[in-house]
Amino acid sequence: DVKVTQSSRYLVKRTGEKVFLECVQDMDHENMFWYRQDPGLGLRLIYFSYDVKMKEKGDIPEGYSVSREKKERFSLILESASTNQTSMYLCASSLGDSGLETQYFGPGTRLLVL
Amino acid sequence: GNSVTQMEGPVTLSEEAFLTINCTYTATGYPSLFWYVQYPGEGLQLLLKATKADDKGSNKGFEATYRKETTSFHLEKGSVQVSDSAVYFCALKEAGTALIFGKGTTLSVSS
Repeated sequence: DVKVTQSSRYLVKRTGEKVFLECVQDMDHENMFWYRQDPGLGLRLIYFSYDVKMKEKGDIPEGYSVSREKKERFSLILESASTNQTSMYLCASSLGDSGLETQYFGPGTRLLVL
Repeated sequence: GNSVTQMEGPVTLSEEAFLTINCTYTATGYPSLFWYVQYPGEGLQLLLKATKADDKGSNKGFEATYRKETTSFHLEKGSVQVSDSAVYFCALKEAGTALIFGKGTTLSVSS
């Protein structure tokens, strides 16, 4: 079974702090994704990566950056956390980019910025 | 652009009731369609999928049929259980584009 793990289930940070959210997948997937989930808004794509050291902006990249130095690891960085970044963050991975590919999700990190 | 619209919730049912969650989509090409489920406190997991018109996806008693003529992929289950209480997301994917989700429908089943 594909396993996608996220470094923390819950995080509490202060405004202005730099925050790192880590995601690791164990199935040699090419593609990795970061979403945020907010009530009434569903899932919104922040960034994705199709290969090591490659990154593409999603729908809401402002205030975020990402890093993919190794194939299995995809990090989301909040350079200076703000209260409007309080949310649930979900990481996902998929083998390829055809319309047939299933995305596999981690359990999520619930981030509270005070 | 591509989009997914699903019925607003919450949907509240008694155990053994019939479930339908409506999902319609707009796409420029020939997408694959998915239903994902999110149980309380967990991430999303794939429930079922269909990759071409008239395909039926099924899993755990849930079914959905890819209807190109009505651009729909409605989720159905004949007899829901308390353990089906979750948030359900309809989604579509075309090659080379991002997975696009609906806003989710919360299902609450009581005994």
